[in-house]
Amino acid sequence: DARVTQTPRDKVTEMGQEVTMRCQPILGHNTVFWYRQTMMQGLELLAYFRNRAPLDDSGMPKDRFSAEMPDATLATLKIQPSEPRDSAVYFCASGFGTGQETQYFGPGTRLLVL
Amino acid sequence: AQTVTQSQPEMSVQEAETVTLSCTYDTSESDYYLFWYKQPPSRQMILVIRQEAYKQQNATENRFSVNFQKAAKSFSLKISDSQLGDAAMYFCAYRSPTSGTYKYIFGTGTRLKVLA
Repeated sequence: DARVTQTPRDKVTEMGQEVTMRCQPILGHNTVFWYRQTMMQGLELLAYFRNRAPLDDSGMPKDRFSAEMPDATLATLKIQPSEPRDSAVYFCASGFGTGQETQYFGPGTRLLVL
Repeated sequence: AQTVTQSQPEMSVQEAETVTLSCTYDTSESDYYLFWYKQPPSRQMILVIRQEAYKQQNATENRFSVNFQKAAKSFSLKISDSQLGDAAMYFCAYRSPTSGTYKYIFGTGTRLKVLA
């Protein structure tokens, strides 16, 4: 049963620290998405990649957030420096971009910035 | 721009009964995809059901079925024989088929409570 995996599951850090979240998409999927979920804003798309190339990161605060895909099996989302307003659940999702793709979500990383 | 509206923040259903969750959307496109995702307390987003707009037949997956009304831009989810494990947040999502656009637009969610 193929699944998207994310690490860490939970992260507590202090303001100003760097945070790195990792995602392993389902093998064979060529699109990867990063979402942020908060009570106030709901699910927001931060960035997405196709074939490891960033297609859109307009939802991401550029000054502190960065997203990369070092290889087809790993996507990373970094926050540096972290701020309390970054506290949220961060989801990674993957799909196979044929035009009919369904996104499959990972379990999320719950981030708390103190 | 496309929008997705879930007008019911919370719904309750008695175990073994049937419940319908509403979703409406706004789009000028004729072809698109619609989804229902379930998010239980574990927070994992789980795909429940998917509908292609070009298909007239409503999608079904076991106890879950949709009522897709394209002209009315309505996409409701019916859960039959509700079980305690169905308690979760349910999100409706729209996806444009436009080439190069892979974004989903999510509704704000409906929290479903199942009463024993």
